[in-house]
Amino acid sequence: SQQGEEDPQALSIQEGENATMNCSYKTSINNLQWYRQNSGRGLVHLILIRSNEREKHSGRLRVTLDTSKKSSSLLITASRAADTASYFCATARSSNTGKLIFGQGTTLQVKP
Amino acid sequence: ETGVTQSPTHLIKTRGQQVTLRCSSQSGHNTVSWYQQALGQGPQFIFQYYREEENGRGNFPPRFSGLQFPNYSSELNVNALELDDSALYLCASSPRQELNTEAFFGQGTRLTVV
Repeated sequence: SQQGEEDPQALSIQEGENATMNCSYKTSINNLQWYRQNSGRGLVHLILIRSNEREKHSGRLRVTLDTSKKSSSLLITASRAADTASYFCATARSSNTGKLIFGQGTTLQVKP
Repeated sequence: ETGVTQSPTHLIKTRGQQVTLRCSSQSGHNTVSWYQQALGQGPQFIFQYYREEENGRGNFPPRFSGLQFPNYSSELNVNALELDDSALYLCASSPRQELNTEAFFGQGTRLTVV
């Protein structure tokens, strides 16, 4: 079963615009991670935010975490055509041995 | 490139057959996890191996089994294949079993059951 719900399921923007993806989850977590997947291939880790952190930046990526609302958002600024991919949030639960629970993903298309 | 390699990249099997998928973890990583990703869905956790022992399992039947070897490489075995087993199978390695680490994924094995 999936832990997270991602919103929107699909997003289409023009190059240079910002893209925001949201993720909600159901249980307590140790950390939340965002991954990117190109055309059904392997996942690439983007960023990890711990449950005691509220915001984290990495290059053009900004992630926020609101544990009271059990939600996170991923912002990609100044998007590029190469950002076209599927983006997944994944949670690691406090009491677990390392299992990542993924959401269903957001498919982002950036038009040149 | 993450340093995690999976083989084969594609595989076609007939319903009822058995399949073995292989994963070589990144150097220095002793933890390997396997995920199943159906088309259009997020990956689902199958199980994790840490130091050659199963260390957590998702909601998958016993016909999904695995092994981890002393060099930390791993195999996923699926017996009595069903059509619904058609999916992308992803292997991920991490330095330790601790939660506060990212997972490094291979490119996956695309399994088609006909």
